[in-house]
Amino acid sequence: DVVMTQSPLSLPVTLGQPASISCRSSQSLVYGDGKTYLNWYHQRPGQSPRRLIYKVSNRDSGVPDRFSGSGSGTDFTLKISRVEAEDVGVYYCMQGSHWPWTFGQGTKVEI
Amino acid sequence: EVQLLESGGGLVQPGGSLRLSCAASGFSFSNYVMNWVRQAPGKGLEWVSVISGSGASIAYPDSVKGRFISYRDNSKNTLYLQMNSLRVEDTASYYCVRGDQTGDSWGQGTLVTVSS
Repeated sequence: DVVMTQSPLSLPVTLGQPASISCRSSQSLVYGDGKTYLNWYHQRPGQSPRRLIYKVSNRDSGVPDRFSGSGSGTDFTLKISRVEAEDVGVYYCMQGSHWPWTFGQGTKVEI
Repeated sequence: EVQLLESGGGLVQPGGSLRLSCAASGFSFSNYVMNWVRQAPGKGLEWVSVISGSGASIAYPDSVKGRFISYRDNSKNTLYLQMNSLRVEDTASYYCVRGDQTGDSWGQGTLVTVSS
């Protein structure tokens, strides 16, 4: 299985300041169709995960543009340009290029 | 609007069985691959099963293979997870998730607690 490694696992942030989460995979996430199925999810306490970013850099509908995803191959990053209070929670990367789906350990973002 | 509503969770003794359901609405259910993903209390996410739109292709990780059965009734727009020989380590919230490679929509989850 593809191992997904996130860092840091805990991220204290300051409102209005930028934040960044890294996600590395144990093998390339380029799928046979040439696309890279690396997704980011946000889970608030007591809620189910919500997808923020799909295929590395595409924001889901309704996701603020302060969120951005980048990367290629095995190295990916989620950035928040200016953290807001509603951004607290746990962020997970997930790869869908190779079965089974595998997730990173999660990064807890707290103010 | 895509909606996924899980039900069927609860408290069960080790060795027992439980069937989870996921009622889907707002999209053409039979056209989509569906998954189950679980999350133990305070832990990360673990994929549990995937089933093709027709239900003909199904896969599981080794941790549940031979004990869990995923199936679907496209006439009822419902996904199921039959869980047998439950273990304490199966305690988790179980989510149904739409999609093959991008997991775009998640239900609110149903909690399964395996304890004596």
